[in-house]
Amino acid sequence: DTEVTQTPKHLVMGMTNKKSLKCEQHMGHRAMYWYKQKAKKPPELMFVYSYEKLSINESVPSRFSPECPNSSLLNLHLHALQPEDSALYLCASSQDFDPGRSSYNEQFFGPGTRLTVL
Amino acid sequence: GDSVTQMEGPVTLSEEAFLTINCTYTATGYPSLFWYVQYPGEGLQLLLKATKADDKGSNKGFEATYRKETTSFHLEKGSVQVSDSAVYFCALSATMGRRALTFGSGTRLQVQP
Repeated sequence: DTEVTQTPKHLVMGMTNKKSLKCEQHMGHRAMYWYKQKAKKPPELMFVYSYEKLSINESVPSRFSPECPNSSLLNLHLHALQPEDSALYLCASSQDFDPGRSSYNEQFFGPGTRLTVL
Repeated sequence: GDSVTQMEGPVTLSEEAFLTINCTYTATGYPSLFWYVQYPGEGLQLLLKATKADDKGSNKGFEATYRKETTSFHLEKGSVQVSDSAVYFCALSATMGRRALTFGSGTRLQVQP
């Protein structure tokens, strides 16, 4: 199984809503990522979890709150978002994220959640 | 810091034409290099990869060779199809230190019948 799944596929929310994005992988990967992608732009890294601990936070506003309940699951909790947060949110996973290891960092991406904030 | 530069798009070709999308990079050491493809409305799919100098990655008729002397990883395909229409991203991952992917800006390919 080389698949990363994401739910929901589409999400429309108001600025006062609280919602969550979910991501799951069963490849035994120990690193998981959240990216934000605006139209006609490359993905921008938001968060990296390595062995279920937050490893990188790219100065993301606190209205985005990541959570990694176990090595297969990654959530992104959303609260009080702004219209400019509307984007495609991509989850990815890789074997690891250990700077001391020589294995290359091949990432597998999910299909994304298209988020619209009204 | 690390960076990836891709040719500006869109690239518009007729079916069965030869494709080249240029990619050059700046990085310390010996990064791993990747090409990802994104079809309309979908996430990114890994197209091919190369982990050391002179490696050639290939998949679905696409090829790219890791050229350390020119710091390049150009994507090529001998005969494109309409179904190849997508956005192509070149990316690198450093072997040490920060190992998150660094993406190029993406190149949109449009193949006309």
